[in-house]
Amino acid sequence: KNQVEQSPQSLIILEGKNCTLQCNYTVSPFSNLRWYKQDTGRGPVSLTIMTFSENTKSNGRYTATLDADTKQSSLHITASQLSDSASYICVVRPYGGSQGNLIFGKGTKLSVKP
Amino acid sequence: GAGVSQSPSNKVTEKGKDVELRCDPISGHTALYWYRQSLGQGLEFLIYFQGNSAPDKSGLPSDRFSAERTGGSVSTLTIQRTQQEDSAVYLCASSPPRLAGVETQYFGPGTRLLVL
Repeated sequence: KNQVEQSPQSLIILEGKNCTLQCNYTVSPFSNLRWYKQDTGRGPVSLTIMTFSENTKSNGRYTATLDADTKQSSLHITASQLSDSASYICVVRPYGGSQGNLIFGKGTKLSVKP
Repeated sequence: GAGVSQSPSNKVTEKGKDVELRCDPISGHTALYWYRQSLGQGLEFLIYFQGNSAPDKSGLPSDRFSAERTGGSVSTLTIQRTQQEDSAVYLCASSPPRLAGVETQYFGPGTRLLVL
């Protein structure tokens, strides 16, 4: 069964600190892996999208890495801000099949405290 | 321009009633998706529309769920004879025509459905 597992489930850090969120997946073969940020009460917003051949992608203070051999991805947040408080969702699109059929992780809830 | 909009933002209904949820995608976006997000769970794919092609309904959990997309724009998700387990946030997303590379989805704020 295709699965996407994220850790930790929740995380509290102080403003200005860095953090790394983990994503392990069993989806194979896969087309691309995405990270979304979801603020409370809002829809997810795309942060990064990496194809299977990419190892890293950055978007401002967000850097995603991908190791297709070990089926692991991470999202590193640098110099955290209060506005980074949100859920971060790892999403894998299986190769082939419907464009809409994405496999979503349950997310990591990040709280940034002053 | 405006993003993806959904209505209503919140809906409370009684078990057994039918509900209709509406999604207005971003103008010009050919793809439209419906997902369900239950408490503590990841998003679950429901249905996908792409242009005039037949929709991918493989994610619909039962025949009580159906969706339409009229004129390639607005979409309505209908849940008949609602059950308490249907309580969730229903999210709609749209994406532009994919000319090359990976499509980016733009999500609406969701409709929070509570079935009593």
